[in-house]
Amino acid sequence: AQSVTQLDSQVPVFEEAPVELRCNYSSSVSVYLFWYVQYPNQGLQLLLKYLSGSTLVESINGFEAEFNKSQTSFHLRKPSVHISDTAEYFCAVQNTGGFKTIFGAGTRLFVKA
Amino acid sequence: EAGVAQSPRYKIIEKRQSVAFWCNPISGHATLYWYQQILGQGPKLLIQFQNNGVVDDSQLPKDRFSAERLKGVDSTLKIQPAKLEDSAVYLCASSLDPGSTEAFFGQGTRLTVV
Repeated sequence: AQSVTQLDSQVPVFEEAPVELRCNYSSSVSVYLFWYVQYPNQGLQLLLKYLSGSTLVESINGFEAEFNKSQTSFHLRKPSVHISDTAEYFCAVQNTGGFKTIFGAGTRLFVKA
Repeated sequence: EAGVAQSPRYKIIEKRQSVAFWCNPISGHATLYWYQQILGQGPKLLIQFQNNGVVDDSQLPKDRFSAERLKGVDSTLKIQPAKLEDSAVYLCASSLDPGSTEAFFGQGTRLTVV
């Protein structure tokens, strides 16, 4: 069985500051890892994913996440956030041999002016 | 490309009443998911369809919840009778096939049971 732990339920940060949203997972088998974002009044959207290869993956809007197998982590980072990044972010894990995706509880990122 | 459509967006019912949610996935997507998202928690998979067959319904409370996927396209999720603890956002998602590594989500239906 897999599980996902998002270590922070809320992260307030000032605009243009860096941010890190932490995610740890547990699994006895190989996994794919995902970050989804949910903007206010919208559905979840895939932000980025790690399937294989380079452990550093990037999104089109400046976020990046690094897969760390030894630490079983997949933290999400952005060097400089914007007001528009205010949203809830969900880390998720999927067994490479199966189809069920397990989500973390979410981290609410609040960017202040 | 049209996204995943869900209706209604909001629903308020009294406990012990019944309610139904509708989902229209992205055209061509064989796999459809229903998730329950309780406030403060991540989405939890209730049921997964591949075309009109059930792949996984291990976390569906079958004594009160039911779901069907008509002709492998639209889907409905029903709760009868509803309990207070069913208050949540019900999310529908679809993907090309079960092994896809990206699911596309609808905006969800927010259910409040009073």
